[in-house]
Amino acid sequence: DIQMTQSPSSVSASVGDRVTISCRASQGVSSWLAWYQQKPGKAPKLLIYAASNLQSGVPSRFAGSGSGTDFTLTISSLQPEDFATYFCQQANSFPWTFGQGTKVDIK
Amino acid sequence: EVQLVESGGGLVQPGGSLRLSCAASGFISSDYYIDWVRQAPGTGLEGIARSRNKINSYTTEYAASVKGRFTILRDESKNSLYLQMNSLRTEDTAVYYCVRVSMAGNWFDPWGQGTQVTVSS
Repeated sequence: DIQMTQSPSSVSASVGDRVTISCRASQGVSSWLAWYQQKPGKAPKLLIYAASNLQSGVPSRFAGSGSGTDFTLTISSLQPEDFATYFCQQANSFPWTFGQGTKVDIK
Repeated sequence: EVQLVESGGGLVQPGGSLRLSCAASGFISSDYYIDWVRQAPGTGLEGIARSRNKINSYTTEYAASVKGRFTILRDESKNSLYLQMNSLRTEDTAVYYCVRVSMAGNWFDPWGQGTQVTVSS
């Protein structure tokens, strides 16, 4: 199975801050990577697919980049509704595997 | 509105069985791959099972952790899917989500709200 490693595991930030989350795959996944946002008690929500494509309805302050083994999710200007946990997921080979999550909380 | 709604979770003893349901609305589920993903506090999110669409004969695929114990079933008339879980173990304790797989790649949207399965004596 492909292992996905996210860093950091948590980040404290203020409204308006730029936040960057990294995700590394144990083997190359090309651009077959997605990012999700999860709020407490809710299901994950798709933000980014194919490494850099914004899902319909997702604000443009979210951006994804990378290919192969190293990927990044950037929130350009953190908003109050963005405090949540973020997961990456490799979509290259079954079983689909996820990073352990990065919790973004209020500084 | 495209939606998935799970039901059927609960408390079951080790070695027991449970059947989860996933009701689709707003789209024809037989046109799509549908997966089951679970989330446990210790192990995080894990993709465990796939049901391909009708044109692909509803073929299935299972992660090693559940292979031989879990089975996906479909009911076209009810626009629904089921996850039959047998020989349950304590490590199967998790929130179980059904998810629609994008036609463009193996990412998931939408997700159901999830149903809690607890395996404990």
